[in-house]
Amino acid sequence: GESVGLHLPTLSVQEGDNSIINCAYSNSASDYFIWYKQESGKGPQFIIDIRSNMDKRQGQRVTVLLNKTVKHLSLQIAATQPGDSAVYFCAENNNDMRFGAGTRLTVKP
Amino acid sequence: DVKVTQSSRYLVKRTGEKVFLECVQDMDHENMFWYRQDPGLGLRLIYFSYDVKMKEKGDIPEGYSVSREKKERFSLILESASTNQTSMYLCASTLHRSLYGYTFGSGTRLTVV
Repeated sequence: GESVGLHLPTLSVQEGDNSIINCAYSNSASDYFIWYKQESGKGPQFIIDIRSNMDKRQGQRVTVLLNKTVKHLSLQIAATQPGDSAVYFCAENNNDMRFGAGTRLTVKP
Repeated sequence: DVKVTQSSRYLVKRTGEKVFLECVQDMDHENMFWYRQDPGLGLRLIYFSYDVKMKEKGDIPEGYSVSREKKERFSLILESASTNQTSMYLCASTLHRSLYGYTFGSGTRLTVV
C-alpha cells in the first residue's frame, strides 16, 4: 500500500510477470479514482481511472480494481515490461484530487 | 492531446530572489493547479485556479503566490526564494475538478542555493 514518509514502497518484478500495486485511500466519500505513472524526470501521466459505481475497469495491459468496503484500490499490470519501470501513484477525488505518495516499480530483465 | 507546458525544466536561484514559474495549457481548461513534489511526500497542492483572475489556496500556500491573467496561463511566484523551496514543481490542468483526471506538465526542478 501507499504511505507518507521518506521512502517509497517498492516493488520489484521479473520482466513478463504480472505486477500488482496497491493503494489504500482515505475518504469513503471519494467517487473517482485515478492511477498515474511517473517516469524519472517527467510529470505524472494518466494511466486509467475508475468511478465508484464500478469495481473493475480494464485498459491495455492494465486493470484497476476498486474495493469500496475496505477503501482499497489496486493496479494490475500484465506481462510487465522494462518500460513499465516508474513510480505509480493513485489519486482519489471528492471535489478535490488527493494523491498518494507512490510505489516504485522496478522491472528486472 | 492536452498539452501542459512548463517553461523551464531546471532552475537554480539564489536565496531571496523572486522566482516565476510559468505554465501554459492549450485545451481551454478552466482549472489549473500548482503542486510541489518531494521524495516520499507525494504531491502537495500549493494553489489552484478555477477561472481567470480566480485563485484558491491549497495545502501549502505559504511563501508562494499565483497569477492567472489569461485562461491558458497560470504562474507560480516565489516572493523570496528560500532553500526549503527546493523541489520539483508540477503544473496541472483539468476541464472539471471532480469528473476528469488532471494533465500534468513535465515539471520544473528548482534548486535554491
